[in-house]
Amino acid sequence: DADVTQTPRNRITKTGKRIMLECSQTKGHDRMYWYRQDPGLGLRLIYYSFDVKDINKGEISDGYSVSRQAQAKFSLSLESAIPNQTALYFCATSDSGQGIHTYEQYFGPGTRLTVT
Amino acid sequence: AQRVTQPEKLLSVFKGAPVELKCNYSYSGSPELFWYVQYSRQRLQLLLRHISRESIKGFTADLNKGETSFHLKKPFAQEEDSAMYYCALSATSNTGKLIFGQGTTLQVKP
Repeated sequence: DADVTQTPRNRITKTGKRIMLECSQTKGHDRMYWYRQDPGLGLRLIYYSFDVKDINKGEISDGYSVSRQAQAKFSLSLESAIPNQTALYFCATSDSGQGIHTYEQYFGPGTRLTVT
Repeated sequence: AQRVTQPEKLLSVFKGAPVELKCNYSYSGSPELFWYVQYSRQRLQLLLRHISRESIKGFTADLNKGETSFHLKKPFAQEEDSAMYYCALSATSNTGKLIFGQGTTLQVKP
């Protein structure tokens, strides 16, 4: 599903560097999420945003920051990268709607980040 | 604490054999449970959700509140079922926040 895109797809950076991962979506969804995936740990929520003015910390936000530049764009920054931030990062979106149930999340292809 | 546990990192079966991917959750309220799947070189995508009570690609999952489980089952595995499977919990309705398990890799051998 090319509706959720992430750039870059792969990145190698050095300890202490600042790096930004970008996510764009054309699904028209209000909600966007950033996860990291680590072997044996599954996906863990870093930050999420319900609209442009609403940013919330997730389970593991320390060392990360985000920016919701527009409804369609949600960026994740590592201000000073460290090796244990080496992981696969996923962006996801979902609708909000009027219902009471949780809506399906649509995932991007992932960004593989290596911090040396 | 809200938690999802998938006890098996890897499940290997032969084609045609029954499959059961285990998922247990910890949550005192009324959860919404999901199974997401990631096929090789593809994105993570929703497989099924307990609210829908539907069967997707032959898979079913029943929410058992007494045992706090949401195991994924298929009577006859196919090679194309080989993938990583994640169980996920939404503990608060309509917040969109999901808590994922560790994932189980299903390997279906010919």
